[in-house]
Amino acid sequence: DAGVTQSPTHLIKTRGQQVTLRCSPKSGHDTVSWYQQALGQGPQFIFQYYEEEERQRGNFPDRFSGHQFPNYSSELNVNALWLGDSALYLCASSRLDRGPYEQYFGPGTRLTVT
Amino acid sequence: AQTVTQSQPEMSVQEAETVTLSCTYDTSESDYYLFWYKQPPSRQMILVIRQEAYKQQNATENRFSVNFQKAAKSFSLKISDSQLGDAAMYFCAYRDLTSGTYKYIFGTGTRLKVLA
Repeated sequence: DAGVTQSPTHLIKTRGQQVTLRCSPKSGHDTVSWYQQALGQGPQFIFQYYEEEERQRGNFPDRFSGHQFPNYSSELNVNALWLGDSALYLCASSRLDRGPYEQYFGPGTRLTVT
Repeated sequence: AQTVTQSQPEMSVQEAETVTLSCTYDTSESDYYLFWYKQPPSRQMILVIRQEAYKQQNATENRFSVNFQKAAKSFSLKISDSQLGDAAMYFCAYRDLTSGTYKYIFGTGTRLKVLA
């Protein structure tokens, strides 16, 4: 049973560019959350998707957008990248009924903006 | 707004000894979950232990146990018989159950070093 997978592992982009990160949830999971973890910090909630809709959003600008597909996989898009977007981006999946107490994290995508 | 505070940026423990990591949180809600996650150098966050706020009994998972003090809003993690594989970043997290939010709120983490 594969856990949460994310791609790519590492990514280097230039300021102003756009990036797409991908996440496949754990088998049986229908909810995907995205977090940004800056160096030396804890993860910060970006948004959560369920039934292909954004269910809740954290304090992030509209440059951050997402999508969930019918197979529950998800993408995180960031436009107009700036240096401050450099971070580890974590995807977490859960079952709707178990989300309050159980979510599984992927290994993350390390994004570096130069 | 809810907050989670971890005041120990780094802790060290001798192998086979016991160490306690501290966490305090602030909330006006009465029903919530608290978690400790481990993040090794591989970066993948792993759930160590969780505690439901309405349960008075402290959670335990093998060598890991918590001291949950609801009135004091304190949630510390005790690691007994520390092993080299316990070395990692440890994050305390909070998940509200009553305000209609779905996000987990994390502290800034404590780096645990295990000395051989």
